[in-house]
Amino acid sequence: NAGVTQTPKFQVLKTGQSMTLQCAQDMNHEYMSWYRQDPGMGLRLIHYSVGAGITDQGEVPNGYNVSRSTTEDFPLRLLSAAPSQTSVYFCASSPADPGNTIYFGEGSWLTVV
Amino acid sequence: AQSVTQPDIHITVSEGASLELRCNYSYGATPYLFWYVQSPGQGLQLLLKYFSGDTLVQGIKGFEAEFKRSQSSFNLRKPSVHWSDAAEYFCAVGGGSNYQLIWGAGTKLIIKP
Repeated sequence: NAGVTQTPKFQVLKTGQSMTLQCAQDMNHEYMSWYRQDPGMGLRLIHYSVGAGITDQGEVPNGYNVSRSTTEDFPLRLLSAAPSQTSVYFCASSPADPGNTIYFGEGSWLTVV
Repeated sequence: AQSVTQPDIHITVSEGASLELRCNYSYGATPYLFWYVQSPGQGLQLLLKYFSGDTLVQGIKGFEAEFKRSQSSFNLRKPSVHWSDAAEYFCAVGGGSNYQLIWGAGTKLIIKP
């Protein structure tokens, strides 16, 4: 089972460049989300979606855009990369009912120089 | 304010010894409680979760956790750790949708041979 697939796994960007982190899930989950993980700060929610065509902001949305045109895909776009966006990014999905298991991708390591 | 505290940033345990990882939370109602594990270079995987009922919850890989309402705690335990348990462990709490989870900062478990 593929589960949640993120690409790329590693990326180095120059300040000001844009890029898209891809995320796909094959479990037909309604919820999808993007987190960033920084040392000592746990996971912080960037954006989330409760279904195709519906997205909303999380705790740290500035500098990122998302869209959800299909149930399966939830790409994260960095509009103009900044060194502060150097982080590990995780895509996740889960069924809609509260308390369901969240399934995570393996992470994308992004460095902005 | 709602929060999750994992007081220990790092814990070192000898292989075969017992383990307890602490999680304290502040939440307005009885929350859903989760423990996730992140192996090096990987995404997060659910270890166990508590919704209601028996306050001692069994999870995968021989882990268990006990919900103590009076202490606002949900500590993770394992009677005998293995080298493969070396990972980072995250506690999370929530009461509504999965995108509203509050994450602890994580505890890194180091196993001494």
